[in-house]
Amino acid sequence: AQSVTQLDSQVPVFEEAPVELRCNYSSSVSVYLFWYVQYPNQGLQLLLKYLSGSTLVKGINGFEAEFNKSQTSFHLRKPSVHISDTAEYFCAVSDTPGYGKLTFGQGTILTVHP
Amino acid sequence: GAGVSQSPRYKVAKRGQDVALRCDPISGHVSLFWYQQALGQGPEFLTYFQNEAQLDKSGLPSDRFFAERPEGSVSTLKIQRTQQEDSAVYLCASSSSRAGAREQYFGPGTRLTVT
Repeated sequence: AQSVTQLDSQVPVFEEAPVELRCNYSSSVSVYLFWYVQYPNQGLQLLLKYLSGSTLVKGINGFEAEFNKSQTSFHLRKPSVHISDTAEYFCAVSDTPGYGKLTFGQGTILTVHP
Repeated sequence: GAGVSQSPRYKVAKRGQDVALRCDPISGHVSLFWYQQALGQGPEFLTYFQNEAQLDKSGLPSDRFFAERPEGSVSTLKIQRTQQEDSAVYLCASSSSRAGAREQYFGPGTRLTVT
C-alpha cells in the first residue's frame, strides 16, 4: 500500500518570497510522483511529474521539485511566489508499472500575501 | 479544445435519494478515473475504466456506489440511497494512455451535499 504525507496543511508567505511545500511518501514498489494544483472551484491541474532520470524536475509557473529516494521525499519549491499562486497543492504517487491510479496527500493551502 | 466536463456541478440530495453524476472525458481518452474528495482532504480513488471495461473498482466505498462507461466515452457514477457521509466533491479524470506516466486531466467536479 502507498501513502503520501504533506507535512504542512497551510503555508502563508509574502509575495516574492521563496516557498517550499513538503511531501513524503511510502511505497513498497517504484512510483511515479506528481504535484497538482487546485484553484477554487476548478479541477486539479498538473504542475510537474517525476518519472525517471534527473531528480530535479521543472514544471509550469516556475515551480520545481526534487526527488530524493533515500528520504522518500518530493518537495515542491518556487524561488519567488506571486499572489496568483494562492491555491491548494497536492502531492500524489502512482505505481510503476500501472495504469495510473493516484494516491494523494491531504493537500497544502498556499496563501500568498501582498 | 474541450477539457473534461462534469454535470451537474452541484447536487443536493435528501438522505435516501439516488443520484447520478456524469463525466464527459476528453474525446479519444481511453482511461477514465473517478475520485472522491471529502472536505479538507485529498482526492481518494474510487474506480478506473479502460475504454468500456471497469478494471478496478477497489475504491468504491460500498455496494451503493456503481459506475459505468458503456460505450467507452461518457461515464456515470451512481449512488443509491445516499447517506450524509457521501457528501463530497466527486472528480472525474481522463488520460490518453493506459500507462501510468501519462497526465490525468481533471474535470471541475460535482459537489454532492446530502441533507
